Amino acid sequence: QSVLTQPPSASGTPGQRVTISCSGTSSRIVFDYVYWYQQFPGAAPKLLIYRNNQRPSGVPDRFSGSQSGSSASLAISGLQSEDEADYYCATWDDRLSGRWVFGGGTKVTVL
Amino acid sequence: HVQLEESGGGVVQPGGSLRLSCTSSGFTFGDFVIHWVRQAPGKGLEWVALISHDGSDQKYGDSVRGRFTVSRDNFENTLYLQMNSLTTEDTGVYYCAKVPLASSNSGPKDWYFDVWGRGTLVTVSS
Repeated sequence: QSVLTQPPSASGTPGQRVTISCSGTSSRIVFDYVYWYQQFPGAAPKLLIYRNNQRPSGVPDRFSGSQSGSSASLAISGLQSEDEADYYCATWDDRLSGRWVFGGGTKVTVL
Repeated sequence: HVQLEESGGGVVQPGGSLRLSCTSSGFTFGDFVIHWVRQAPGKGLEWVALISHDGSDQKYGDSVRGRFTVSRDNFENTLYLQMNSLTTEDTGVYYCAKVPLASSNSGPKDWYFDVWGRGTLVTVSS
């Protein structure tokens, strides 16, 4: 069971806004920074959002991130067919000796 | 151009060992923390381990601690993952990934996965 919980799937039609949530499964986990990754089948993950809401160069501005307490979300505005992929949230959990944790992933389908 | 390339994957029997390598180019390898992340077939991402820029510190995920060892050779610009006592649950694609900032300018919360290799497949099967 992932420390971070994501819905297994999300969908929308082209042009719609889709939001993916990422919640800590323990009340003790509080995010400082959340990161989001996009992964297409057979490919390596790609950094989409860093430090909650920052986009690396080259990432379209229709992708946006937010964070509050032990929850975070990724929004895709103006959904496009090429956005169909798996999306993962991740954070640093500094309890005990420290570790990185991922959410279970959300498959986004463009209808 | 920053690049990472994993190698060393293959088929191994349960209880066996395997050593993965990750070669790098396009950046000063010895300045950066590097991670191993894996993905079982059809499953999500799982963080495996990280190693500090100079190799003095390592951290491991719960499922591999005590069985896997991460190391690096900064002269050869290469990262390693020694995997022992393998089980079928270790099957998957193993990625190496670098962090975005040199260690002199960052701490653990900034050690996120910036550039990834293409991965190497490890299959544990009898």
